[in-house]
Amino acid sequence: EVKLLESGGGLVQPGGSLRLSCAASGFTFTDFYMSWIRQPPGKAPEWLGVIRNKANGYTTEYNPSVKGRFTISRDNTQNILYLQMNTLRAKDTAIYYCARRGAGDYWGQGVMVTVSS
Amino acid sequence: DVVLTQTPSILSATIGQSVSISCRSSQSLLDSDGNTYLYWFLQRPGQSPQRLIYLVSNLGSGVPNRFSGSGSGTDFTLKISGVEAEDLGVYYCMQATHAPWTFGGGTKLELK
Repeated sequence: EVKLLESGGGLVQPGGSLRLSCAASGFTFTDFYMSWIRQPPGKAPEWLGVIRNKANGYTTEYNPSVKGRFTISRDNTQNILYLQMNTLRAKDTAIYYCARRGAGDYWGQGVMVTVSS
Repeated sequence: DVVLTQTPSILSATIGQSVSISCRSSQSLLDSDGNTYLYWFLQRPGQSPQRLIYLVSNLGSGVPNRFSGSGSGTDFTLKISGVEAEDLGVYYCMQATHAPWTFGGGTKLELK
């Protein structure tokens, strides 16, 4: 059974940093692209970026809205996906999801990130 | 960025009724590789989005066959043939042909 479990969310002050984790299980992690997607309360989801699979060299693509502030990485020995978020702003407040594949055939349950002073 | 416009924004239906949701793109979603990277998701209240349809018309794993997708280029449709109570929630289309990948604004399906 495919499982994705995010962690690391919480309350952070504007300008601060946070690292989210996504523990994956139930599939061969290195075979799959992995994405981060966020959803502000009451709004549509926003794709943040993707990290490709082993066959495609684990390269990354980002939404320009977060490029330079957010970094996606993966630990392929522990099957963990990461999202490093720097210089956080109030507009970054959202539920953050990890998803398998670029367009998410499986999603985690999400983790809330609140940026506020 | 590619803008996906979903209509209607709210859809009221009775159980058993067939309904359709439209997703129109500001650019063609036909990729140079011949694929059209258009997806449909359902987000039930309090849950994560669930993928229903991939590549325009392919049913996701475990998705009931009352759901179907169609379309090409810039115009796409999700049809539910016989709404059931578990289908209520917000439907989103998403495109992954043009970076950055984008979602539509959503269509809320509610009981009439």
